[in-house]
Amino acid sequence: SQTIHQWPATLVQPVGSPLSLECTVEGTSNPNLYWYRQAAGRGLQLLFYSVGIGQISSEVPQNLSASRPQDRQFILSSKKLLLSDSGFYLCASEPRGRYNEQFFGPGTRLTVL
Amino acid sequence: EDKVVQSPLSLVVHEGDTVTLNCSYEVTNFRSLLWYKQEKKAPTFLFMLTSSGIEKKSGRLSSILDKKELSSILNITATQTGDSAIYLCAGGSEGTYKYIFGTGTRLKVLA
Repeated sequence: SQTIHQWPATLVQPVGSPLSLECTVEGTSNPNLYWYRQAAGRGLQLLFYSVGIGQISSEVPQNLSASRPQDRQFILSSKKLLLSDSGFYLCASEPRGRYNEQFFGPGTRLTVL
Repeated sequence: EDKVVQSPLSLVVHEGDTVTLNCSYEVTNFRSLLWYKQEKKAPTFLFMLTSSGIEKKSGRLSSILDKKELSSILNITATQTGDSAIYLCAGGSEGTYKYIFGTGTRLKVLA
């Protein structure tokens, strides 16, 4: 079974500062990778997904970006954080195949002040 | 635009009650539907359902999809306080790698 690591677990950043959240996956090869954001008490909003190294699809226009430098590494970044970027960020991995569930990492709780 | 709607938004029951959570979906080229349980952190996978209509069961939890009604239900029998969580469902479509999540149902089970 696969394991998903995310760090940091929590982060408090001032408005205008940069951001880098990292996600790594063990136990699978060539997965589809996803970044979601969850606002308090709400569902998951898909931000980015990747089907391979260097391949990134963006779902919502925003000041965030994503990169996949290695097969099992997915990074979420920002050059300048906004207050509205606060939330719970979840990385998910889906093994290749038609009917596979997504597995989630432990998440990063970001507070922008 | 694809969407997934869950109801009710929140629910409070007592231990031992049976609950039914609903998820309706409008997903282009529907592939599968996922149910997750989220307590304090990351969602944990419960079930995957497809248009086959096969019911899935795990202990006191069960789920089935009605492809005519474009909906799914999650049943929990003999609820326990440990069932308190947010339950999320998500619909996925063929040809894409995306799942659309609903906003979730917040279940609270009182002792």
